[in-house]
Amino acid sequence: AQSVTQLGSHVSVSEGALVLLRCNYSSSVPPYLFWYVQYPNQGLQLLLKYTTGATLVKGINGFEAEFKKSETSFHLTKPSAHMSDAAEYFCAVRRSNNNDMRFGAGTRLTVKP
Amino acid sequence: NAGVTQTPKFQVLKTGQSMTLQCAQDMNHEYMSWYRQDPGMGLRLIHYSVGAGITDQGEVPNGYNVSRSTTEDFPLRLLSAAPSQTSVYFCASSERRVDQPQHFGDGTRLSIL
Repeated sequence: AQSVTQLGSHVSVSEGALVLLRCNYSSSVPPYLFWYVQYPNQGLQLLLKYTTGATLVKGINGFEAEFKKSETSFHLTKPSAHMSDAAEYFCAVRRSNNNDMRFGAGTRLTVKP
Repeated sequence: NAGVTQTPKFQVLKTGQSMTLQCAQDMNHEYMSWYRQDPGMGLRLIHYSVGAGITDQGEVPNGYNVSRSTTEDFPLRLLSAAPSQTSVYFCASSERRVDQPQHFGDGTRLSIL
């Protein structure tokens, strides 16, 4: 089965600094890859996804991620952190030929003023 | 536009009791799914549905039943509650298979004593 590893359960950055959240996956067939954000006491919100085509994917709120097959990675970045970006972020993978979704354990992002 | 609505928001049960978590969406989405979220484990897929009358198991289906008699509703039933089922449960939906899960409800916080 496919799986996801998010490196770092907590990441802290200063406001205006680069945000980099790391995600590595394993999948025996071409994967669909996702990033979600969760604010306290809310459900998840889809930030961006990769299915096919361009490997650099742009999402909402200025986030983007790049699918690197050779590195089996799908890291999430944002050039300049805002206070409102503080939340928990989840990477997820699903094989392109089924419906079974697997999530990483999450990375909590803290933004310092 | 309500999106995905989950009820109740909070529930406390005793071991052995049964209950149904409700999920409804008003977007006419074919794909719906149930997840549980536990600390440090991300989300895990319980059951999913690709349309009315069609359901399938996810990663952790034991102890749960689902049915999909209409496009709008996808209830999750706990047959005989156990303390290990204490969790936050999320329902999600999407219009296309490639996007799922896309829209999440706000969750049901369930405690089993």
